Amino acid sequence: QSALTQPPSASGSPGQSVTISCTGTSSDVGAYNYVSWYQQHPGKAPKLMIYDLSKRPSGVPDRFSGSKSGNTASLTVSGLQAEDEADYYCTSYAGNNNLVFGGGTKLTVL
Amino acid sequence: EMQLVESGGGLVQPGGSLKLSCAASGFTFSDSVIYWVRQASGKGLEWVGRIRNKANNYAPGYADSLKGRFTISRDESKNTAYLQMNSLKTEDSAIYYCSRSTEVMPFGMDVWGQGTTVTVSS
Repeated sequence: QSALTQPPSASGSPGQSVTISCTGTSSDVGAYNYVSWYQQHPGKAPKLMIYDLSKRPSGVPDRFSGSKSGNTASLTVSGLQAEDEADYYCTSYAGNNNLVFGGGTKLTVL
Repeated sequence: EMQLVESGGGLVQPGGSLKLSCAASGFTFSDSVIYWVRQASGKGLEWVGRIRNKANNYAPGYADSLKGRFTISRDESKNTAYLQMNSLKTEDSAIYYCSRSTEVMPFGMDVWGQGTTVTVSS
């Protein structure tokens, strides 16, 4: 199980859109539509933002969206707001009752 | 309110053991899959393992790097899941979170605990 690859950092100005990538392999991201995204503010527990590639839990703004192309999943945050500044992690099911996380991306709102 | 509360963290010497608990309330524990995720200080999230629900025979799954040292179990009568950690190493020091998923979102962890800190040091 190798960690999924995310860029260490991403940034955007308020109101802009930013996309965070999450690259895996044909055994995890490419094989299943079970990609989730989590937001984590400093000192807090993670919060589920996207599951099953593109579904939003109740209460998550529609500014957050997910997609996938091949072995790479993406999280797009539109209309950036100050409170979106946080760390974001992707995960994917990897078969055989295994899960794998990405290394995390620090999103900065300029 | 759906809630998970971890406990049992603390200071342990290398080679020692520790058992963490994850108490659930506000939702149907028996229908839920329980996960353990850890985060070393200043580092990213790392999947430790999970235990499925009764419908899936409580099947456990573990990160390859932890197999053989960590064991996840659950007690339906207490609405509690456990993480037994043996042969602990300094690199196991982290905040340990438990979380859950349901059949609606089988791999989406929508409820998280606040975490419990494990420090492995001599």
